[in-house]
Amino acid sequence: QQQVKQSPQSLIVQKGGISIINCAYENTAFDYFPWYQQFPGKGPALLIAIRPDVSEKKEGRFTISFNKSAKQFSLHIMDSQPGDSATYFCAASIRGSTLGRLYFGRGTQLTVWP
Amino acid sequence: NAGVTQTPKFRILKIGQSMTLQCTQDMNHNYMYWYRQDPGMGLKLIYYSVGAGITDKGEVPNGYNVSRSTTEDFPLRLELAAPSQTSVYFCASSYLGVTNTGELFFGEGSRLTVL
Repeated sequence: QQQVKQSPQSLIVQKGGISIINCAYENTAFDYFPWYQQFPGKGPALLIAIRPDVSEKKEGRFTISFNKSAKQFSLHIMDSQPGDSATYFCAASIRGSTLGRLYFGRGTQLTVWP
Repeated sequence: NAGVTQTPKFRILKIGQSMTLQCTQDMNHNYMYWYRQDPGMGLKLIYYSVGAGITDKGEVPNGYNVSRSTTEDFPLRLELAAPSQTSVYFCASSYLGVTNTGELFFGEGSRLTVL
C-alpha cells in the first residue's frame, strides 16, 4: 500500500512556466514532508522540506504548499528552467520516530522545454 | 568529502548467482538504508540500520540480507539472484538526533541486471 500518493507521473512544461506536482497521504502521524530531486544517473538529493505547522515554505523558485486538513502537499516550481528537468519525489516521515524512515511517492518526471 | 559511496556502479548477474553491493559513508551517520528504484515505482525500502549491529526489514526484504558491523559500512547481499531483482539500488545515510531534520544522503546507485 502506497503511503504517499504522487501525481502526475510525468509533466512537460515550457521554459518560464509553472510546474506543479501534488502529493497526498493518509497517516496523520506524518510530520515531516521533504521533496527530493533526482537527475539521471545520480541519487536523489533533498530539495526542500516542510513541517505541518506552516502552510507554505519558499526557497528561491521552489515552494511547498501544505494543506493539513486535506492531507495534501504540493511542489510549485516558478519560472521553470531546462535545468530543472529531473525526477521529483515527495516523501513523508514521522520525525520524532526512532525509525527515521521516509515513505516516498512514485516520482514525477519533469521535462522543461527550452 | 566523499559522502556515501557505492560499488559497483554496474553489474550483470546470471540467475542463481550471488553478490554483495558495497556501501560506505564517511559522515558518521547512525542510520543507513538500502532502497531499490524501479521505473514508475519510486523508492522501496529493502533494509535499514539504526546503528552498528542493528538491522531491520523494510518493505521489500525478500531475497536480500544485510549486516552492519561498523558505523561506516552497510553491505547488501543478494542470494540466488532472480530477474525480479533487476533494479537500481541506492544506499543512503542520515543522522537522527534531537535537533536535525533526518535528511537522507544518497549514493549514486548501483545498476544491477539479472539475466
